[in-house]
Parts: sequence; structure tokens; C-alpha cells
Amino acid sequence: AQSVSQHNHHVILSEAASLELGCNYSYGGTVNLFWYVQYPGQHLQLLLKYFSGDPLVKGIKGFEAEFIKSKFSFNLRKPSVQWSDTAEYFCAVNARWGIQGAQKLVFGQGTRLTINP
Amino acid sequence: IAGITQAPTSQILAAGRRMTLRCTQDMRHNAMYWYRQDLGLGLRLIHYSNTAGTTGKGEVPDGYSVSRANTDDFPLTLASAVPSQTSVYFCASSDSLRGKNTGELFFGEGSRLTVL
Repeated sequence: AQSVSQHNHHVILSEAASLELGCNYSYGGTVNLFWYVQYPGQHLQLLLKYFSGDPLVKGIKGFEAEFIKSKFSFNLRKPSVQWSDTAEYFCAVNARWGIQGAQKLVFGQGTRLTINP
Repeated sequence: IAGITQAPTSQILAAGRRMTLRCTQDMRHNAMYWYRQDLGLGLRLIHYSNTAGTTGKGEVPDGYSVSRANTDDFPLTLASAVPSQTSVYFCASSDSLRGKNTGELFFGEGSRLTVL
């Protein structure tokens, strides 16, 4: 069965610091990879996604992620964080993207990011 | 505004009571899902539906049932609520037919359920 592991449960940074959140998955086949963000009191929103091609993916709000197939990793990065980036971040893997039907995303445990002004 | 509507937003429920969480989407997506979100566990899939008239079990289906009578609605029912079902429940949808399969899920605002 697929699984997703996020290394950091809670990360605290100051504004302008650089960010990297780790994500590893276990699945040997072709996958789609996602990062979702959940701002306080809100629903999950897509931050960025990887399907194929360039392993460096750029998303909204200056976020990017790099897919390293050999390491089964999809780490999220941002060069300079802002207070408004305070949120919970979820990595997710979908191993059924090529198949019609329901997409069973498997989510990591989430990483709570707190940015101090 | 197109999207997913969940109701209620929040509910406190006595153990043993029956509860239905409602979910409606207006994006004509074929697939719909129910996840529960618990601290330290992320999101776990409860049930899903590929198309109207079909449903399937996810990772944590026990104690929950769903139905999919039409494309837009996907209610989640707790037949006899227990305290361990205290959680935040998210409904989601995706469009995976007709060459639109991106694997992306669209989420509702969530329903916070407390079972005492």
C-alpha cells in the first residue's frame, strides 16, 4: 500500500527565512504528487502538483517542489517565507492518475508551519 | 460560485445518535470523496464514489455509510455516533473522465463534528 511520510510535524520560522518541508512516499510505480495547503479555519487548497516532465515544479505564492524519483521524495521549498504562509501543509500521492475513476490520494500527516513576524 | 458545499459547518452530537453530513457539488465532477482529518494523522479516506450509483470503501470506512443517488450529492451517515468519530470531515470531488483526469481533488470547507 502507498504511504506518505512528512518529516516535520511543526516548523517555526521567522519571516524571510528559507523553507524546506520534506515528503517521502512509498510506491514503485508512476505517481502524481501534490502539495496542499490549509490556512487556519479554511479548507485544503492545491499549492502545486507534479505529473511529468520537469521535476522542479512551481506553484502559487512563490512555492516550488522538486521531485527526485530515486529518493521517492517531493520536498516543498520557498526561498523567503511570509507571516501569511502560516498554515498546515500536506503532501499527497496519487497512484491511480492514469486510470479512469476515483482518485485515491494518500496524504501525509501534515506539517504545521508557524511564521513569526 | 462553483464548488463544494458542506453542511453543517459544526455539530455537537451525543453518542449513539444518528448523523448525516451533507455534501453537494456543482462542478459536475464524476468522483466524490469523504475524508476525516485528525491531528497527527493527516487526512484519511472514509468512502468514495466513482460515479452516481456506485460507492467504495476507503481506508477507514467502519461506522460510516454513504450513498450517491445523483452526481451532485454525496451524504455521509454515522448510524450510531461514537466519541472516536470526533473529527473534521472534508468532502472532495474530482473529474477523472473524458480525458480530464488530473488527479486533483477539490475540497469543501469541512464539517467539525464532536461526539460526546
